[in-house]
Amino acid sequence: ETGVTQSPTHLIKTRGQQVTLRCSSQSGHNTVSWYQQALGQGPQFIFQYYREEENGRGNFPPRFSGLQFPNYSSELNVNALELDDSALYLCASTRTGTDYEQYFGPGTRLTVT
Amino acid sequence: RKEVEQDPGPFNVPEGATVAFNCTYSNSASQSFFWYRQDCRKEPKLLMSVYSSGNEDGRFTAQLNRASQYISLLIRDSKLSDSATYLCVVSLYGGATNKLIFGTGTLLAVQP
Repeated sequence: ETGVTQSPTHLIKTRGQQVTLRCSSQSGHNTVSWYQQALGQGPQFIFQYYREEENGRGNFPPRFSGLQFPNYSSELNVNALELDDSALYLCASTRTGTDYEQYFGPGTRLTVT
Repeated sequence: RKEVEQDPGPFNVPEGATVAFNCTYSNSASQSFFWYRQDCRKEPKLLMSVYSSGNEDGRFTAQLNRASQYISLLIRDSKLSDSATYLCVVSLYGGATNKLIFGTGTLLAVQP
């Protein structure tokens, strides 16, 4: 196992609502990345946090935001949910931003109705 | 054009067969290359890194051609347990950020 956990495992929300997804990284892993995986697609990079600051972002609107905490946990927040936000959300951690191997958590499956 | 392109499959092969997956990437600044395996409704897991010199791990062989921006994965003597989606992945460094760019994945179904 990777030592990366995510909660909840499944979530159903209504369009327009807000959601917070959580990730707990391995101890010592200062970098966490979040990915969105729609059905039939590969994961898409949302953003990366290093030592509690965002240091890289993919092509996602500002309603996707994050937080990283000193205890190796992090959050992904999505406001004003849209139907297309339905996906598997994955977090991945590494020791530093440039470590090539990223350890993925099991993901949170979000359904927006 | 997608940054990482691979044949989505599915590839249906009998046990014992040899199967090859191919992938191309568009950004010549890509620095690291991988194959990940993803089982149904699970997270991706690193299968192997890919180097220009080629690398082998048991029944799996990966190859990188930087000039052609082409990555391959060969699986010999396929097992039922190899059935999964295989994701071609490149890593793009920008400042302090290491971003993984995934292909859409190739579905492999090994039949008994």
